Amino acid sequence: ETGVTQTPRHLVMGMTNKKSLKCEQHLGHNAMYWYKQSAKKPLELMFVYSLEERVENNSVPSRFSPECPNSSHLFLHLHTLQPEDSALYLCASSQDLGVRTQYFGPGTRLTVL
Amino acid sequence: KNEVEQSPQNLTAQEGEFITINCSYSVGISALHWLQQHPGGGIVSLFMLSSGKKKHGRLIATINIQEKHSSLHITASHPRDSAVYICAAPNYGGSQGNLIFGKGTKLSVKP
Repeated sequence: ETGVTQTPRHLVMGMTNKKSLKCEQHLGHNAMYWYKQSAKKPLELMFVYSLEERVENNSVPSRFSPECPNSSHLFLHLHTLQPEDSALYLCASSQDLGVRTQYFGPGTRLTVL
Repeated sequence: KNEVEQSPQNLTAQEGEFITINCSYSVGISALHWLQQHPGGGIVSLFMLSSGKKKHGRLIATINIQEKHSSLHITASHPRDSAVYICAAPNYGGSQGNLIFGKGTKLSVKP
């Protein structure tokens, strides 16, 4: 257990659905991250939040919409996804944005039909 | 943008063997991360190092800042070490939390 939880663990959705991924950290950290891991590709950073403010957006399409209502929770809202968006979505947190160890959640395996 | 390269991509070893995984990066950094990803997908941070060497159990990580190179060693390897090992470095121009990841080294240790 890393102190970072993600729900759901598996999600299958159609291209017209709207769904949300949830991440919660119990570590008292101030920075949270969303990553995407596609088959046979390296981990890719999607978004970075620090103290509930988005500080990085790595050219992610608008069909992915992050939300950070407080420093313990991070959401990724999904709408009108494409089959190529099928991937493992990982959440992580760190004490702050400095040179810090990142603690990862177990991930959500997303399949878009 | 920092470029992170790992080698080898795949590695098969017999139990007990000494393992070395290499990582090189293109832009000077303040610290490099080594991560372990098990087949279920969960990722665990193994090391974050900025100079010299760190040891944790049978795992040793070294870094040479001048040569922009790091190695992860596993002594007396065991089948439970089978996983994907990933190195990551800060993305040049981004925040320290903005990491660029290598493609990973898939390690399989046979009994």
